[in-house]
Amino acid sequence: GAGVSQTPSNKVTEKGKYVELRCDPISGHTALYWYRQSLGQGPEFLIYFQGTGAADDSGLPNDRFFAVRPEGSVSTLKIQRTERGDSAVYLCASSFAGAGGPYEQYFGPGTRLTVT
Amino acid sequence: AQSVTQPDIHITVSEGASLELRCNYSYGATPYLFWYVQSPGQGLQLLLKYFSGDTLVQGIKGFEAEFKRSQSSFNLRKPSVHWSDAAEYFCAVGANAGNMLTFGGGTRLMVKP
Repeated sequence: GAGVSQTPSNKVTEKGKYVELRCDPISGHTALYWYRQSLGQGPEFLIYFQGTGAADDSGLPNDRFFAVRPEGSVSTLKIQRTERGDSAVYLCASSFAGAGGPYEQYFGPGTRLTVT
Repeated sequence: AQSVTQPDIHITVSEGASLELRCNYSYGATPYLFWYVQSPGQGLQLLLKYFSGDTLVQGIKGFEAEFKRSQSSFNLRKPSVHWSDAAEYFCAVGANAGNMLTFGGGTRLMVKP
């Protein structure tokens, strides 16, 4: 079956602009995660959705970052007033959730964001 | 809060040699432990996981890892490395089922012919 997909694969934007990054999880996975991976580092957690609601958004660095998952499937990560420090690879992952777990997370290929 | 340390940033081994990548974690209860591999320009692929039970777990591509509670370690091993194993390897710990993962900084593996 299809894996986690992310679009665009690359995004170049100017400082101060608004960007949206999209994640399409594996069908049937109710849990969805966003991570950010800076150059030479491991991924860092941003936010976790269970269904349509954000169950844990403790990793969002500030209020310029926001994510939604309105129908419990596709999710969009939104970054306002981008800064050069936001440049990174943004990874999305999905998993089953609930009784019978724990379950492993499956990752998409990521979106490389470059803020100039 | 949990944390993961991968002490080796870079490791170089000869093709056919054995491999061990170190991972130490910090977490107050029994953790869920994972090893992922990332090739250039690719997403993270799960190699293996430990949830409970047998502390020696087998994964894909001939990898195995051993959970040692007394040492807070989950080292990854492979008896004979292939050139295609060259990649970045990440150890991760999860606190609860379905919850966020905390990753180590990664170990970059290079394989000499």
